[in-house]
Amino acid sequence: DTGVSQDPRHKITKRGQNVTFRCDPISEHNRLYWYRQTLGQGPEFLTYFQNEAQLEKSRLLSDRFSAERPKGSFSTLEIQRTEQGDSAMYLCASSLLTKSYNEQFFGPGTRLTVL
Amino acid sequence: SQQGEEDPQALSIQEGENATMNCSYKTSINNLQWYRQNSGRGLVHLILIRSNEREKHSGRLRVTLDTSKKSSSLLITASRAADTASYFCATFGSSNTGKLIFGQGTTLQVKP
Repeated sequence: DTGVSQDPRHKITKRGQNVTFRCDPISEHNRLYWYRQTLGQGPEFLTYFQNEAQLEKSRLLSDRFSAERPKGSFSTLEIQRTEQGDSAMYLCASSLLTKSYNEQFFGPGTRLTVL
Repeated sequence: SQQGEEDPQALSIQEGENATMNCSYKTSINNLQWYRQNSGRGLVHLILIRSNEREKHSGRLRVTLDTSKKSSSLLITASRAADTASYFCATFGSSNTGKLIFGQGTTLQVKP
């Protein structure tokens, strides 16, 4: 257990439905990252927050995706009008920005299946 | 986008044998990291090697880095069934964001 939790662990939804995932980072960590991982591939960066500010979004993050970190603590990732291509593992990671390299601690992930 | 290739994509060995995985990357780096992922779970950080280092050890892990060839290798010695997992190399996309760019991974199976 890395100290990063994600909820739910599994989500099955029908195409066109909206889904929301939650990530609780390690409490003192000021950076929070979302990644997406499809079967047989490495994780791909989606977006990241420093405190409550969303500082970068990947081109993978279409308009149907939105992420928030309202108080600089937990974060949510919402997917609207889900498509079958959204089926993947969504991973959250957190880190503490320091002068040296910041190790990222990953949560267990939320596995999304879109039928 | 993926950082580069990992080789082999899959590896099956007997317990006690050594396992070697290779990773190539595309851009210049400050450091390279290796992660392990057990089936269907999150990633666990294993080891980081800085660009000015050529080799680093941690327990049964040995990592090498060749910046001239833009490649790294991870050696697991005296493998155990519990080492069965996927292994990924990762580099930072940029020094400011801290976002990681992962390779495609090597799936290691260690048979008891």
